[in-house]
Amino acid sequence: GAVVSQHPSWVICKSGTSVKIECRSLDFQATTMFWYRQFPKQSLMLMATSNEGSKATYEQGVEKDKFLINHASLTLSTLTVTSAHPEDSSFYICSARVSGGEGGNTIYFGEGSWLTVV
Amino acid sequence: AQKITQTQPGMFVQEKEAVTLDCTYDTSDPSYGLFWYKQPSSGEMIFLIYQGSYDQQNATEGRYSLNFQKARKSANLVISASQLGDSAMYFCAMREGPVRNFNKFYFGSGTKLNVKP
Repeated sequence: GAVVSQHPSWVICKSGTSVKIECRSLDFQATTMFWYRQFPKQSLMLMATSNEGSKATYEQGVEKDKFLINHASLTLSTLTVTSAHPEDSSFYICSARVSGGEGGNTIYFGEGSWLTVV
Repeated sequence: AQKITQTQPGMFVQEKEAVTLDCTYDTSDPSYGLFWYKQPSSGEMIFLIYQGSYDQQNATEGRYSLNFQKARKSANLVISASQLGDSAMYFCAMREGPVRNFNKFYFGSGTKLNVKP
């Protein structure tokens, strides 16, 4: 299937600093990527839809100034957690949809990023 | 109302036996897609199988099959001949609406499957 790469896999940062997570589609172009957050033993929660060349669409309750999303190219979307606090510690995972073809009916996920804010 | 319901928080199955993971969904949209993902402890989400609302036959992918009961709004995952590597969290998900509507993509709460040797 299609490959989505996410980096870094693990990151520890100090409270008050910002951290950037990258999501890349390796063998296809993704005009739309999605960012999810997952708390331990819970399901995934959609944070925002990242659109190439335009502003991200945020879900209700997600602070767009805190979770900055930039879809710089057809293969790269970044999530920046600004002024991180311990409550931002979570598992963040991105996904992308393959347009058309065999994979057109599903979305593929990156490997996820574990963020710990100390 | 919950869009996706997985009523089994955890399940055990003996190696080489078959197991069914339950999933029911709720939508009034005639066009939707149903998905199962596997999430090992590493956290990655692995796509397993897809069923479209208009598909007449149940989807199958190797040892995975989806028991699609449209009238009952259920989409149970059947894993045949369980292997130790199948131990993971399994999520049922639904895309509500046509294919472009992946922002309307809902996950169930997951089922933790443990395969016993």
